[in-house]
Amino acid sequence: ELKVEQNPLFLSMQEGKNYTIYCNYSTTSDRLYWYRQDPGKSLESLFVLLSNGAVKQEGRLMASLDTKARLSTLHITAAVHDLSATYFCAVVRTNTGNQFYFGTGTSLTVIP
Amino acid sequence: EPEVTQTPSHQVTQMGQEVILRCVPISNHLYFYWYRQILGQKVEFLVSFYNNEISEKSEIFDDQFSVERPDGSNFTLKIRSTKLEDSAMYFCASRRDRGNHEQYFGPGTRLTVT
Repeated sequence: ELKVEQNPLFLSMQEGKNYTIYCNYSTTSDRLYWYRQDPGKSLESLFVLLSNGAVKQEGRLMASLDTKARLSTLHITAAVHDLSATYFCAVVRTNTGNQFYFGTGTSLTVIP
Repeated sequence: EPEVTQTPSHQVTQMGQEVILRCVPISNHLYFYWYRQILGQKVEFLVSFYNNEISEKSEIFDDQFSVERPDGSNFTLKIRSTKLEDSAMYFCASRRDRGNHEQYFGPGTRLTVT
């Protein structure tokens, strides 16, 4: 079974600081997604990473993908309170119905 | 912008009752999915559906679950006899076509089994 692990599971950081969330997965995949989820809400797509070495940036968030290491990172730069949410990575296994395998999630709290 | 919609937003039911969760995928999408998320846990795949049949299902999707696309727009998830452990948020997702792997998620239905 494909496993997707994130760390840390919980992250409390001060505004203005930088931090990285890691997503490791256990099988070959060249597509990785990052989602944001606010409490009680649905999943908001942040990034789609489609190839090895892909890097995407939106505002204070930057995501990268290393398919050889089976690792994706989500880097937060100069955190602000509005970034408080749970972040999930999801890996697609394209040869079997395209189901998403979600990571364990990282609950981020940005403290003023 | 087109979006996936789900109804109801919250369903409360008693153990042993049948529930039907409804989804309207984006209109030109061909692939449909159900996922669930138990409170505080990760999102788990339940089932994928294409061309009017199940293409893949997880171990969670046992005989108590079924899916249907009764008409050209709705995609439903039925739980025949609900258990307490079925309490979760259920998300529907749709995908446009074979070449496009991105899935668009609906707002979810919170199912509470008492």
